[in-house]
Amino acid sequence: KQEVTQIPAALSVPEGENLVLNCSFTDSAIYNLQWFRQDPGKGLTSLLLIQSSQREQTSGRLNASLDKSSGRSTLYIAASQPGDSATYLCAVTGGGNKLTFGTGTQLKVEL
Amino acid sequence: DAMVIQNPRYQVTQFGKPVTLSCSQTLNHNVMYWYQQKSSQAPKLLFHYYDKDFNNEADTPDNFQSRRPNTSFCFLDIRSPGLGDAAMYLCATSAASGEDTQYFGPGTRLTVL
Repeated sequence: KQEVTQIPAALSVPEGENLVLNCSFTDSAIYNLQWFRQDPGKGLTSLLLIQSSQREQTSGRLNASLDKSSGRSTLYIAASQPGDSATYLCAVTGGGNKLTFGTGTQLKVEL
Repeated sequence: DAMVIQNPRYQVTQFGKPVTLSCSQTLNHNVMYWYQQKSSQAPKLLFHYYDKDFNNEADTPDNFQSRRPNTSFCFLDIRSPGLGDAAMYLCATSAASGEDTQYFGPGTRLTVL
């Protein structure tokens, strides 16, 4: 059974700081890995998707990496802003279209 | 433009009173999913449709049913809601296989009194 773990569970940083969120998964037989953002009481917004054959993806200030063999991914956020405050969820897609989520990292970027 | 729409955004029901949550999509995607997310927990897949083929997760309670009358719409029926069913219910779609991005709706927050 696939298990996804995210560390840290919560993170508070001052505005402008670069930061890294970590995700690990137990079964390396995945199709892809996605990073999502969730604002309080809202749905999920897909930030980046990395296919299993890829090593990284970039979108603006976000960069996600994938090391499938070691079961790890990182989400790098450059020059953080208060608007980046949200919960960030990592999820992997395995067999049967099943997306398995981590419990998320709650990020707060302070002025 | 909204791509995955969920109605209502907030639903209050009484213990044991059936409730239906609605999801519609303008993406013409083949696959539609329903997830349950309890407070401070990861979303948990309940079931999904690949076209008209229904795929139930092994640990989804029988209390939860789903219907997909056409490509655009999918419904989640909770036959006899219990207090433990209070959660955010998320609908998602993807074009085809698990290799594709899943697009999520805004969710329906269900309260059971």
